[in-house]
Order: sequence, then C-alpha cells, then structure tokens
Amino acid sequence: DTAVSQTPKYLVTQMGNDKSIKCEQNLGHDTMYWYKQDSKKFLKIMFSYNNKELIINETVPNRFSPKSPDKAHLNLHINSLELGDSAVYFCASSPVRSNTGELFFGEGSRLTVL
Amino acid sequence: GENVEQHPSTLSVQEGDSAVIKCTYSDSASNYFPWYKQELGKRPQLIIDIRSNVGEKKDQRIAVTLNKTAKHFSLHITETQPEDSAVYFCAASKKQPGNTPLVFGKGTRLSVIA
Repeated sequence: DTAVSQTPKYLVTQMGNDKSIKCEQNLGHDTMYWYKQDSKKFLKIMFSYNNKELIINETVPNRFSPKSPDKAHLNLHINSLELGDSAVYFCASSPVRSNTGELFFGEGSRLTVL
Repeated sequence: GENVEQHPSTLSVQEGDSAVIKCTYSDSASNYFPWYKQELGKRPQLIIDIRSNVGEKKDQRIAVTLNKTAKHFSLHITETQPEDSAVYFCAASKKQPGNTPLVFGKGTRLSVIA
C-alpha cells in the first residue's frame, strides 16, 4: 500500500547509456514531481506535472525528459548519461487543492553512472 | 524565483539540549514553509509546517517560528534525542492561489550525541 513508489531503487550504468526511472502514486494527487538529490544532499526540483501538463522545468538539460501517461504516473527518461547525473532521484506528489501542501516522496532511486 | 538559505549546515548537540536551525527566503509571495526530516538512506518526510498567517506553531518537542517581515523562519527542537539525528530541510513555496513547487534549503545535518 505504498503511496509513492519508484523503480528501480538502484541503477548502475555506463556513461552514454539511456535509462528510465518509473514512478507511480496511488494517492489521487494532481501534481507529481521529480527532485534530484546530489552527493551533498541538495534537493533540487527538476520537473513537476499537473494534469499531464509540464508546468516547471528548472534549467534541466534536455537529456532528461519526463513522461506522464496518466495522472498517477510520472516517469523520468535520461539519454546519454553523464558522470554528473549520478544522484538519488526522488519522485513526489502533492494535492493541488489542499491547504497542507505536503509533498509525499517516493523512496528514491540511486543512479550511479560509471 | 525563490531562493532558500539554511544555516548551519551541520549541528552537533548533546542529548537533552535544544537545537535551532534557521532559514531565510527571498520571495515575499511565498506563504507556505514546511520542514522535512531525512534519515540516512530514507526519503524526506514532513515533520511540521507553517503558513504565513501564523507566527509560531508547536508540535510536542518541535516548534517553528516565522518572521514574515524579515523573511526568515526557524525550527526548534527541544530535549533532543539520538533518534532526532538526521538531515533537516526547510522549504518555501506559494500555495493557494496558484502553487509553486517547494524550493528546499541545502539541509542541516543534526547529530545528537548520547
């Protein structure tokens, strides 16, 4: 009954490869996000999707492309992986029409690029 | 866009002492200020939040204060325990009307020494 689930939890790959991380939420939330947490623990917003529309893209390289087949899913596809892409990627969701504004995070996907 | 500064980056306290973490934000339109706790290898989880119409909020050993004029807010943990050891993140966003993604501070690593 996990609220926000991500797969895979760990991903080790070579430079130049293409990889995807999947995210699903069963909370009925309107908005989903991808955050990147680097080795210094900085949490930085990458994308947010509201009703299948991309509403934020924070200067992320176009090698990163979010794909949302429906409101409950937001997948992250990364082309031509680079060493600097190594990080933990967190998917999150939140309800738009809510006073709480709480973000519900997935468990994270640790990407290591060799 | 919003910029959140957080201090200190690391904090060590003796068990039973208090811990204070401070954050400043740049966008005067921000009106929602949550604090997240991230234990080692885990996802960030909300511990307390405050809205701009409130100056202080308390939940057991945790309290948050907000000074809208100065654009800063603080987390106070009293009677610290070893299980309080974690990385703490402050964040800011604009909620209702319109919603902007949470912008996080760079985190404070709190160590509670038994």
